[in-house]
Amino acid sequence: GAGVSQTPSNKVTEKGKYVELRCDPISGHTALYWYRQSLGQGPEFLIYFQGTGAADDSGLPNDRFFAVRPEGSVSTLKIQRTERGDSAVYLCASSTAHGTTDTQYFGPGTRLTVL
Amino acid sequence: KQEVTQIPAALSVPEGENLVLNCSFTDSAIYNLQWFRQDPGKGLTSLLLIQSSQREQTSGRLNASLDKSSGRSTLYIAASQPGDSATYLCAVHSNYQLIWGAGTKLIIKP
Repeated sequence: GAGVSQTPSNKVTEKGKYVELRCDPISGHTALYWYRQSLGQGPEFLIYFQGTGAADDSGLPNDRFFAVRPEGSVSTLKIQRTERGDSAVYLCASSTAHGTTDTQYFGPGTRLTVL
Repeated sequence: KQEVTQIPAALSVPEGENLVLNCSFTDSAIYNLQWFRQDPGKGLTSLLLIQSSQREQTSGRLNASLDKSSGRSTLYIAASQPGDSATYLCAVHSNYQLIWGAGTKLIIKP
């Protein structure tokens, strides 16, 4: 079956603009995760959804970042008033459930560049 | 606060050699530990998942070990091939989050 998909694959924007990044999880996966990966670093947790609700958003760096998953499937990460420091690869992952034994399956990521 | 460290940051070896990648973590209270592979421009692929109660997992030429008490894991790759070239990341599942190392960039020379 299809894996996790993310769109766009690349996004270039200007400082101060608003961007939306989309994630389509594997069908049937109830848990969805967003991570951010800067060059030369491991991914950094941002937020996790169980179904439609954000169960843990402790990784969001500030209130410019927001994510939704209104129907429990597709998720959108929204960044307001983008800053150059937001430039990174944004990764989405999904798993069958948020259990300690469940493998997370990752999408290819969206590379965000803020000029 | 859980911290994950991977050494070395980069490794280059001739094809055919066996090699070991290292991962260490500061808090032994983990649910599991995973090793991932990341290819340039692509997403992360899970290689092996070791539950906290397990000591090792094997998949083909890969073997991962876990010593929770000492906060260490190793990924052993046997008979390395050029196609193994990638960045390898370990992540510990701790407090319902995956906490990641910065990765080891592996180059296998033909």
